Amino acid sequence: RKEVEQDPGPFNVPEGATVAFNCTYSNSASQSFFWYRQDCRKEPKLLMSVYSSGNEDGRFTAQLNRASQYISLLIRDSKLSDSATYLCVVNIKGYGDKLIFGTGTRLQVFP
Amino acid sequence: DAGITQSPRYKITETGRQVTLMCHQTWSHSYMFWYRQDLGHGLRLIYYSAAADITDKGEVPDGYVVSRSKTENFPLTLESATRSQTSVYFCASSERTGGRQPQHFGDGTRLSIL
Repeated sequence: RKEVEQDPGPFNVPEGATVAFNCTYSNSASQSFFWYRQDCRKEPKLLMSVYSSGNEDGRFTAQLNRASQYISLLIRDSKLSDSATYLCVVNIKGYGDKLIFGTGTRLQVFP
Repeated sequence: DAGITQSPRYKITETGRQVTLMCHQTWSHSYMFWYRQDLGHGLRLIYYSAAADITDKGEVPDGYVVSRSKTENFPLTLESATRSQTSVYFCASSERTGGRQPQHFGDGTRLSIL
């Protein structure tokens, strides 16, 4: 089983739609969680950290469920520019200084 | 501009050749990382460095060598390139690790080994 698993998609949604991605992680010792965004094999860029109480950044909302070991990303009012691959990233306690990246979920927003 | 830069952006070489990918950051971040990204896999850590002269293996270190004589540079060398090392390579840095410290990535090097 992979340490971090994501549905690869693609998720094809119209502009203005709301879309949600989930990500599951296998190591209960995971400490920190992030969503990164990656455009067309360019460099990954931090989208947002994920806090235990959930957090919001504009149209983006991240949630963490430690009991079920998953994190989610909700995008409201999708824009064409949101088309990208979203990477779920986990920092595991005791794994040293390293992050574990999921393979990503691809989102395609169409007009 | 401050940031993290990789060179070359693209490289084609032949099996058996030695090739070095460069990574330079201007933030004076302590930590630097090398990843490779292949279809069907997430980013996989090759090597990382906690400070100058301190390096450690990641998930897929075989066939790679790193050094870090200066804080700002972290070159990655393929001593004898193989076709399986064809990939996109990303360098990243962070001020510290653990907690909520994100990593900042360079633009990547697209490496093809014929």
